[in-house]
Amino acid sequence: DVKVTQSSRYLVKRTGEKVFLECVQDMDHENMFWYRQDPGLGLRLIYFSYDVKMKEKGDIPEGYSVSREKKERFSLILESASTNQTSMYLCASYGGYEPLHFGNGTRLTVT
Amino acid sequence: KQEVTQIPAALSVPEGENLVLNCSFTDSAIYNLQWFRQDPGKGLTSLLLIQSSQREQTSGRLNASLDKSSGRSTLYIAASQPGDSATYLCAVDRSDDYKLSFGAGTTVTVRA
Repeated sequence: DVKVTQSSRYLVKRTGEKVFLECVQDMDHENMFWYRQDPGLGLRLIYFSYDVKMKEKGDIPEGYSVSREKKERFSLILESASTNQTSMYLCASYGGYEPLHFGNGTRLTVT
Repeated sequence: KQEVTQIPAALSVPEGENLVLNCSFTDSAIYNLQWFRQDPGKGLTSLLLIQSSQREQTSGRLNASLDKSSGRSTLYIAASQPGDSATYLCAVDRSDDYKLSFGAGTTVTVRA
């Protein structure tokens, strides 16, 4: 079974802090994604990556950046956290011809 | 832009009743459609994936149909159980790049 692991289940950060959300998958998938989920808005794609060092903006990239130095790891970076980035963040990976696999999510609170 | 709608937003049924969850999308040019389940505070678990060339997929008590021309998919859950209580989301792949467009979900409560 594919395992997608997000390093933190809950995070509390202060406004202006730099925040790193880490995601690791164990199935050698090329494609990895970061979504955020908010009540009433559903899941929205922040960034995705098709390969190491490759990244593309999703629907809501503002205020975020990503890093993919190794195939198994995809990091989401909040350069200067703001309260409107309080949300549930979900990482996903995909290897082709199969469903998208999600991690358990990181609930981030920015105070 | 692909819009995905799920109605109703919430549903409560007694145990044993069959569940019918609806998903509609605005652009019929999809690559595939997926149904996911999400338990409170958790990530999403894939239930069924229907390729655009397929009309339905089945897994156990779950059956999902796809009608691309009308922009609809339906998830049927037979003989519901309290353990089926969760939020169910559908998502469409707009092209062959897995940039999914998600619906907001239907939250199901199955009463014992």
